[in-house]
Amino acid sequence: GESVGLHLPTLSVQEGDNSIINCAYSNSASDYFIWYKQESGKGPQFIIDIRSNMDKRQGQRVTVLLNKTVKHLSLQIAATQPGDSAVYFCAETSGSARQLTFGSGTQLTVLP
Amino acid sequence: KAGVTQTPRYLIKTRGQQVTLSCSPISGHRSVSWYQQTPGQGLQFLFEYFSETQRNKGNFPGRFSGRQFSNSRSEMNVSTLELGDSALYLCASISGTDTQYFGPGTRLTVL
Repeated sequence: GESVGLHLPTLSVQEGDNSIINCAYSNSASDYFIWYKQESGKGPQFIIDIRSNMDKRQGQRVTVLLNKTVKHLSLQIAATQPGDSAVYFCAETSGSARQLTFGSGTQLTVLP
Repeated sequence: KAGVTQTPRYLIKTRGQQVTLSCSPISGHRSVSWYQQTPGQGLQFLFEYFSETQRNKGNFPGRFSGRQFSNSRSEMNVSTLELGDSALYLCASISGTDTQYFGPGTRLTVL
């Protein structure tokens, strides 16, 4: 997504429910996408990545979906737990560049 | 494997001073990148180094500079500090498949 970084969307979910975090990106040339989780006072933690030749990739309790037609990326977290509460960022890059462009982030809060 | 190490973790400086931040990447990784994170601008790319060469630079003034050593450790320097330079500075260690793993960051406060 574009790194506008001014407004942090929020998402609140009940513990045990599934979470879906969305991200729109603007560069149609982007071919590598990463989701990061950032807890307060820590650096971003790698969650899962996907390349543009794929539509879906699954990890442990997480799934990333990529829709290149509408330039949209989503992160699904199954059976959300209190430890999942954090800010989630999508990031993109293109070609051989290793310059990540970050979205503004989504604050996920897991309710007991 | 040990993760990415950044030192110091916290730093307080005054306007006009300069500062040097250090980053040790994951063993075996030869490339590092630096990012600045602020509440207003989010995460912004500063520069990337591979085998001691700067390969890419973000849109920051020349007061921001960096270097990488033969052991892949990297430093970034900010001269003539301004209040707006207060931020979390993050270093990422880049794997051979281009995945970037971040360190805990250095929190810089400029007074």
